[in-house]
Amino acid sequence: DAMVIQNPRYQVTQFGKPVTLSCSQTLNHNVMYWYQQKSSQAPKLLFHYYDKDFNNEADTPDNFQSRRPNTSFCFLDIRSPGLGDAAMYLCATSRDTSGGAASWETQYFGPGTRLLVL
Amino acid sequence: AQSVTQLDSQVPVFEEAPVELRCNYSSSVSVYLFWYVQYPNQGLQLLLKYLSGSTLVKGINGFEAEFNKSQTSFHLRKPSVHISDTAEYFCAVSVVDNNDMRFGAGTRLTVKP
Repeated sequence: DAMVIQNPRYQVTQFGKPVTLSCSQTLNHNVMYWYQQKSSQAPKLLFHYYDKDFNNEADTPDNFQSRRPNTSFCFLDIRSPGLGDAAMYLCATSRDTSGGAASWETQYFGPGTRLLVL
Repeated sequence: AQSVTQLDSQVPVFEEAPVELRCNYSSSVSVYLFWYVQYPNQGLQLLLKYLSGSTLVKGINGFEAEFNKSQTSFHLRKPSVHISDTAEYFCAVSVVDNNDMRFGAGTRLTVKP
């Protein structure tokens, strides 16, 4: 089955120690998103890639970076995790043939990675 | 920017009872509206979406939602719920020509036997 895969499902890191979360997809979608979801809050978009074009949300801290080496993979790097970065991180994909404005397209989500910062 | 308010954080209901999960949005331009469901330990999955046309939208698992422009609402309904409908439900809005979806804080639906 075509799907969005996130590894690991649970990640524990130490305060200030860099951590990388990964996402892969078999849907061949050209858009990939990273969301942060804190407990009892809405998923918050951090950034997305339209093909290789990186689109950062204005309020995403510089501590968060992303890489997309190819269509299938996307990584979320947290350079110096703080206690406030503990959250569920959701990866999603969509197929956009409109040049980046296809806000009507369905997003397909992975199961998420829960990050714990000690 | 657009925003979404889900009016109930938790909705407990008995099996086979009807349910309505409320969602209101705010936007100065035309919107697309979505309902996603998140089952325990799983990712979000699309239930239904409103793009244009008929204001009553039918989705998977017997859910439907009605777009009401004058009240800026997009409430989700199901006439008879099952235990398996227990999940977190998220309303989301995006605006035309902007690939930026905003989610509500979610409503936890708990269906009791």
